[in-house]
Amino acid sequence: NAGVTQTPKFRVLKTGQSMTLLCAQDMNHEYMYWYRQDPGMGLRLIHYSVGEGTTAKGEVPDGYNVSRLKKQNFLLGLESAAPSQTSVYFCASSFSTSGGSGTDTQYFGPGTRLTVL
Amino acid sequence: EDQVTQSPEALRLQEGESSSLNCSYTVSGLRGLFWYRQDPGKGPEFLFTLYSAGEEKEKERLKATLTKKESFLHITAPKPEDSATYLCAVQAETGRRALTFGSGTRLQVQP
Repeated sequence: NAGVTQTPKFRVLKTGQSMTLLCAQDMNHEYMYWYRQDPGMGLRLIHYSVGEGTTAKGEVPDGYNVSRLKKQNFLLGLESAAPSQTSVYFCASSFSTSGGSGTDTQYFGPGTRLTVL
Repeated sequence: EDQVTQSPEALRLQEGESSSLNCSYTVSGLRGLFWYRQDPGKGPEFLFTLYSAGEEKEKERLKATLTKKESFLHITAPKPEDSATYLCAVQAETGRRALTFGSGTRLQVQP
């Protein structure tokens, strides 16, 4: 049981280049999330998905796109990278709650460190 | 807007010197408050979830408590391996199921 995995671990891009970050989870979780972590700012939500084929914007979605074609995978795309997107990117996943007032414990991947020159 | 503030930003303790980390929050109806541990270069590792004021949870040398406005992470007789950044996050009752994180407290325990 690998949990949440992310590829690649490191990447350097030039301004204007594009790339896709892959997140995979083997826990059969419904919910998946992409966060970015910057010094002094904490983790901020980029996009999230409540199920296969559905995505929604988070707190800082500009410049990013996502897709959830399979339940276990959540892709984060940068179409035209900018230096402001230099950050560490974390993917997370959680169970869906079937009803009532449950909470979702989110389990995080190891992160992707992206540098945009 | 949900907000989480953690203090202090950094804390240096001697091995065995107990202390507490603070997490103050404002949220439009609290569904849950989460504590995570993050080691350098790694993803956050789940520690605790607290759901209602008065609740407490323990794990080894760590104990988390919750009031209506803040949460504390008490560290009793810490060891060097407890050195990490501790993150607090809240989840609101309504809206998306994502977490709002604080900036974290960087803890260093010296032998």
